[in-house]
Amino acid sequence: AQTVTQSQPEMSVQEAETVTLSCTYDTSESDYYLFWYKQPPSRQMILVIRQEAYKQQNATENRFSVNFQKAAKSFSLKISDSQLGDAAMYFCAYRSALTGGGADGLTFGKGTHLIIQP
Amino acid sequence: DGGITQSPKYLFRKEGQNVTLSCEQNLNHDAMYWYRQDPGQGLRLIYYSQIVNDFQKGDIAEGYSVSREKKESFPLTVTSAQKNPTAFYLCASSIDQLGLYTWSNQPQHFGDGTRLSIL
Repeated sequence: AQTVTQSQPEMSVQEAETVTLSCTYDTSESDYYLFWYKQPPSRQMILVIRQEAYKQQNATENRFSVNFQKAAKSFSLKISDSQLGDAAMYFCAYRSALTGGGADGLTFGKGTHLIIQP
Repeated sequence: DGGITQSPKYLFRKEGQNVTLSCEQNLNHDAMYWYRQDPGQGLRLIYYSQIVNDFQKGDIAEGYSVSREKKESFPLTVTSAQKNPTAFYLCASSIDQLGLYTWSNQPQHFGDGTRLSIL
């Protein structure tokens, strides 16, 4: 079974600065997908960014980018120019690509609470 | 607008009672999922369904049941056998087409959740 670990329960950053959230995972598979989801106080889960394991290039979505290190099984999220609206819980998630045709769900880490200081 | 609708937003269960959480989607997605979220925890998979009339147990299925009679609907019943049902429940859906290798990269879209508490 796969596991996802987020070692930082809480992070704090000044508005307009850069912050990096860490995520490591454990798997014996070579094909999989990784995601970062944001959960604001409204509790809705919002996709931030995704990465295919077979792609060497790190994914980028505007101010959000990842540092994907497949050999180290690391998938960190960098948020540049932090904004007050970025304050939320951030969850790292894993999904296998080899499910024998079944649509297995996501395996989530426990989350990192990101605080933005004005 | 397309999306996922969960109802009710808040639900209370009495001892020994079964309760059903509703999840409806109009995204024409094939697959649907139920997750449970406890304080300080990530989401854990309860059940998922890839196609109508078929569903599979996730990591914590004991004490729960589901049905998938329509593509749009995936209700979750929390039975009296679930001894610790107090949690936040999230429903999700995604485009997962049978036979296609590349479906796994499709993101899951989530509803707004239902908070279940014990009276």
